[in-house]
Amino acid sequence: KQEVTQIPAALSVPEGENLVLNCSFTDSAIYNLQWFRQDPGKGLTSLLLIQSSQREQTSGRLNASLDKSSGRSTLYIAASQPGDSATYLCAVRHAGRRALTFGSGTRLQVQP
Amino acid sequence: EAGVAQSPRYKIIEKRQSVAFWCNPISGHATLYWYQQILGQGPKLLIQFQNNGVVDDSQLPKDRFSAERLKGVDSTLKIQPAKLEDSAVYLCASSLARDREGYEQYFGPGTRLTVT
Repeated sequence: KQEVTQIPAALSVPEGENLVLNCSFTDSAIYNLQWFRQDPGKGLTSLLLIQSSQREQTSGRLNASLDKSSGRSTLYIAASQPGDSATYLCAVRHAGRRALTFGSGTRLQVQP
Repeated sequence: EAGVAQSPRYKIIEKRQSVAFWCNPISGHATLYWYQQILGQGPKLLIQFQNNGVVDDSQLPKDRFSAERLKGVDSTLKIQPAKLEDSAVYLCASSLARDREGYEQYFGPGTRLTVT
């Protein structure tokens, strides 16, 4: 059974810092990995999707990497801003299933 | 392009009452998912549809939860009777149908259910 773990559970940083969020998964037989952002009381917004054949994806100040063999992904946020404050969720799509298995998220607070 | 629509956004009911949630996926998305997100946790799949057929309902508490997707478009999720532990956000998502690698899942805003 696939399990997804995110560390840390919560993070508070001053504005302008670069930061890294970590995600690990137990079964490396995945099709892809998605990073989502969730604002309080809102749904999920997809940030980046990395296919199993890819090593990283970039969008603006965000960069996500994937090391399938070790079961790890990182989300790098450059020059953090208060507007980045949200919960960040990592989810993997296991080979043979379309549904996603989610981690519990990292709650990020960026202090102005 | 319109996103995934859900209603209602909020619902408060007493335990043992019934409740229904509605989802309209992105046009052309054959696959539809219902997830349950309990406070402080990541979403957990309840049921997955491919067109109007059920693909995976292994984690759906079938004694009280039911879902349907008539005509392969809109879907409803029902809880009858509700328990206190059903308090959660119910998220609907949709994606294109291809099985290989990767199509993104797009999520609706969710319905926040409080059972008192």
